[in-house]
Amino acid sequence: RKEVEQDPGPFNVPEGATVAFNCTYSNSASQSFFWYRQDCRKEPKLLMSVYSSGNEDGRFTAQLNRASQYISLLIRDSKLSDSATYLCVVNDRDDKIIFGKGTRLHILP
Amino acid sequence: GAVVSQHPSRVICKSGTSVKIECRSLDFQATTMFWYRQFPKQSLMLMATSNEGSKATYEQGVEKDKFLINHASLTLSTLTVTSAHPEDSSFYICSARVGWAYNSPLHFGNGTRLTVT
Repeated sequence: RKEVEQDPGPFNVPEGATVAFNCTYSNSASQSFFWYRQDCRKEPKLLMSVYSSGNEDGRFTAQLNRASQYISLLIRDSKLSDSATYLCVVNDRDDKIIFGKGTRLHILP
Repeated sequence: GAVVSQHPSRVICKSGTSVKIECRSLDFQATTMFWYRQFPKQSLMLMATSNEGSKATYEQGVEKDKFLINHASLTLSTLTVTSAHPEDSSFYICSARVGWAYNSPLHFGNGTRLTVT
């Protein structure tokens, strides 16, 4: 099993819709989790950290399910500008940082 | 927020030459910086971890004599691609973490697009 797995997509979603994607991780000792977005030919930018109790930032909601070892990202009322690749990042206790391959999202007008 | 500056953003060089890429933390001290490489439509691949005042730690399969890393101060790390070849053409990105805690996120430089002709 890969350390961090994401559905590569692409997810083609109409503008205004809600979209969610998951990321699974294999190391149960993983301690911190993040979602980054990466636009084409650009560097990744931090979208949000993922906290144990779940957290929300505007239209974005992140959740962590330790029992099933996955994190999720929910985007509500999607905008054209949300089109990007979303990277799941997992940091385990011995400071190994692992990136998922990313999920491509296309918001359709 | 934390800012990581990377230069140059784009470089084209001839095969056999060397290219130096700089990564600076502008408003914080970065004891550790990470260097990644990303080929088109591929995921980020960690090349090495740069530690201030000591030798870098390279990932398996990354040639340390080809990709020279120097982290001489708490705000600057450099990656030199020596004797570059066309297969070294890629997007190179540095990143740094603010603070020591494992729950501190990485902040990325804006990347360097290297084309070797």
